[in-house]
This record gives sequence, structure tokens and C-alpha cells, in this order.
Amino acid sequence: AAGVIQSPRHLIKEKRETATLKCYPIPRHDTVYWYQQGPGQDPQFLISFYEKMQSDKGSIPDRFSAQQFSDYHSELNMSSLELGDSALYFCASSRIPGTGNTEAFFGQGTRLTVV
Amino acid sequence: AQKITQTQPGMFVQEKEAVTLDCTYDTSDQSYGLFWYKQPSSGEMIFLIYQGSYDEQNATEGRYSLNFQKARKSANLVISASQLGDSAMYFCAMRDRDSSYKLIFGSGTRLLVRP
Repeated sequence: AAGVIQSPRHLIKEKRETATLKCYPIPRHDTVYWYQQGPGQDPQFLISFYEKMQSDKGSIPDRFSAQQFSDYHSELNMSSLELGDSALYFCASSRIPGTGNTEAFFGQGTRLTVV
Repeated sequence: AQKITQTQPGMFVQEKEAVTLDCTYDTSDQSYGLFWYKQPSSGEMIFLIYQGSYDEQNATEGRYSLNFQKARKSANLVISASQLGDSAMYFCAMRDRDSSYKLIFGSGTRLLVRP
């Protein structure tokens, strides 16, 4: 079965550079979520999209932006990178409750290291 | 607001024995969903099991079962016949119905299976 695909798996950037993370959700999933997981921490919600519209926003820095495209893939854009942005970034997809199976599946994550 | 509490930062279990990972939650909603995820050292977030608040029976998936006690607001994960490959971080999560149905995570429990 198709899973959530994230790319790249690993990324090393220097301070003040930009990074773009990509997420391809499971087909027919209408919602995409982005999470940030620092070392030894639980995942923290950044932002979500439902049917290509932003549906919720969490503790996402202003330096970050995201969008969902017509083919439902999503991109997280990160600018002016800081050392503290080093983390594991997850994308998850699901269907909204009430529209069928609502399990949320995660991609394998992108490990971003800022040096 | 919803909240997930995992009070066991770390646990040990002997191979082939069963282990219970605790999870309590706080919500004022009548309809909600609870999830368990496994995160091995490689970092990916693996979906294990889901329990809906209206499900009359406890969820089971192979060696994983969820001991759901609605009145006590607990959703403990039981892993039977532990295997060395079960050593990982385990997160309990709940959907936030306030907006985008994003997942709210507990702080996790690190399980170590001893040979």
C-alpha cells in the first residue's frame, strides 16, 4: 500500500540558508499535517492543510511557510535557518473524521541539520 | 483543550513477556480518537493501533492491544510476547477536534526489551 512519502530524508544546511521539504500524502487523504520533533521531544504541530487550504497553524516560526498544491503534495519552506531548527520534520496525512478511516500515517521524516 | 499524559519515561521488559505502557488523556469531547505510534531509533513514526471513543471493544492489532477505560480516561497499550525489535519510543496521541483534527502527542515512553 502507498505510504506518505517525504523528501529528502536527510538535509544539511548552513545558518541563514533556506530549505524546502516535500511531502506526498497517501492517495485520497484530504489532510496533510507538518510536525517538528526536536531531539528527545515529542512531535510539535506546525501547520496543516485540508483540501489545499491551510486549516490550522501551530508553533510555526514566521520564517517558515507551507502550501499544498493541486496534486495534494505539500512543501514546507524554511528560510534564514537557525541552529535550533535542526530537528526531524514529519509530514502526516489522513482523512477528516466522519469521512472514513481516520488513521493518521506519517512519512519517514526529513532529518534537517543546520550547521 | 485536549491533553495526553504518559507518566513512564522509560521501561524495561524481558523478551517474550508482556508489557503495558500507560496513557491517560483529558478531553471534554464525547467523540474522540486515540492513537499509539512506535518510533524506533531510525526515527520513523509507525502507526500501531487506533481506538475510537465509541468503539465498544478494545482495539487489537496482532501483538498490540489497547486497554481502553473510558471512565478513567486511560488508553494503555499492551504489547504481548515482547521482541527485541520492540525496543523503541512509544507515543500516545489524540486528535484535537477544535480545528484541524491534528494529533496531540504525549511525551512518550522509551521501551527497552532485554534478551
